[in-house]
Amino acid sequence: GAVVSQHPSRVICKSGTSVKIECRSLDFQATTMFWYRQFPKQSLMLMATSNEGSKATYEQGVEKDKFLINHASLTLSTLTVTSAHPEDSSFYICSARPGAGTTSEQYFGPGTRLTVT
Amino acid sequence: GENVEQHPSTLSVQEGDSAVIKCTYSDSASNYFPWYKQELGKRPQLIIDIRSNVGEKKDQRIAVTLNKTAKHFSLHITETQPEDSAVYFCAARYGIKAAGNKLTFGGGTRVLVKP
Repeated sequence: GAVVSQHPSRVICKSGTSVKIECRSLDFQATTMFWYRQFPKQSLMLMATSNEGSKATYEQGVEKDKFLINHASLTLSTLTVTSAHPEDSSFYICSARPGAGTTSEQYFGPGTRLTVT
Repeated sequence: GENVEQHPSTLSVQEGDSAVIKCTYSDSASNYFPWYKQELGKRPQLIIDIRSNVGEKKDQRIAVTLNKTAKHFSLHITETQPEDSAVYFCAARYGIKAAGNKLTFGGGTRVLVKP
């Protein structure tokens, strides 16, 4: 299957600082990537849809000024958590699809464990 | 928007027995239904998927069935093994591009296979 990488795998930061997470599609181009957040023992919650060359689409309740998304190329999307607080500690996972069709498969990155102290 | 309900939330089975997880979805426009397996601290892995023009799909010990009329789909794992222990998520995707082609996930089922 297609490969999606994510960096870093773990990050610990102090409250008030910003953290950037990178998501790359390694063997395919992705015009659209998705960012999810997963709290312990919970499901994946979509935060935003990242579109190459245009603004991201955020889900209801997700602060666009706090979670900055940049999709500068067909293989790279970044999520920046600004002014992080302990409640932002979570598992952040990106995802991408090789195809544009509505029934094409979607693959996930390995996730980034963010801990804000 | 789409809403996906998944049951049960936990499932304990004896090795060798079958496991069944059921999901219902709300929007008849959804046309793609994947199942993911997630081990602790790892990424969700696609294990099987089904499209709305198919009623059943099998891959070795795993099968998925889809009932479009009732808007529900199920995952069947036969001859379960300890390595099947994980959290399983169902998902549904709108078949409408304007809706963003987003996957909506069920709440997950924690499966424990006892040796």
